[in-house]
Amino acid sequence: DAKTTQPTSMDCAEGRAANLPCNHSTISGNEYVYWYRQIHSQGPQYIIHGLKNNETNEMASLIITEDRKSSTLILPHATLRDTAVYYCIVRATGDYKLSFGAGTTVTVRA
Amino acid sequence: EAQVTQNPRYLITVTGKKLTVTCSQNMNHEYMSWYRQDPGLGLRQIYYSMNVEVTDKGDVPEGYKVSRKEKRNFPLILESPSPNQTSLYFCASLRTGVWNTEAFFGQGTRLTVV
Repeated sequence: DAKTTQPTSMDCAEGRAANLPCNHSTISGNEYVYWYRQIHSQGPQYIIHGLKNNETNEMASLIITEDRKSSTLILPHATLRDTAVYYCIVRATGDYKLSFGAGTTVTVRA
Repeated sequence: EAQVTQNPRYLITVTGKKLTVTCSQNMNHEYMSWYRQDPGLGLRQIYYSMNVEVTDKGDVPEGYKVSRKEKRNFPLILESPSPNQTSLYFCASLRTGVWNTEAFFGQGTRLTVV
């Protein structure tokens, strides 16, 4: 029951912004968009989440389209340590199960 | 520091020898869960717990047991491990609320059953 679609992989130059797209065309009105990342077999790490407004924190920015059918995670100045698998997840409040897809493997190159 | 602690980080065992992987969180979270991660299959939920003494099966519960006798601990038990349970295991706890449901994961336990 994949709810999101992400590119399999992408490369990014160190110091440049990395823009990670995610499609969630069947998202429901009460579902949030979450982003996690997993650095080489470590536990997944929460990055950011949002409902309909754009969000920013110390790690990234999340841009959600007005129709909420897609979103973009922006890493403003990618570093080598940002190399990881990035997962886009949609989940409703009160739905505590995280369903991870294959994610996007992001490789930041010097 | 908010954290989820799993032990051991690495374990090699033989088929049929009972083992327990411990998981502890210091955030007073009610919800905890176990996942396994295998190449090409992603992260799959094994069991979850909504609170003390409340547990339920996830997507791949066969061959596993859990218990939740206190809020902070959620051990994963393999009564009779088999080679197909060789995997990378993660424990997670979830901060719940109307707005913020951020999950915290442990560092993982790499289990090999020979």
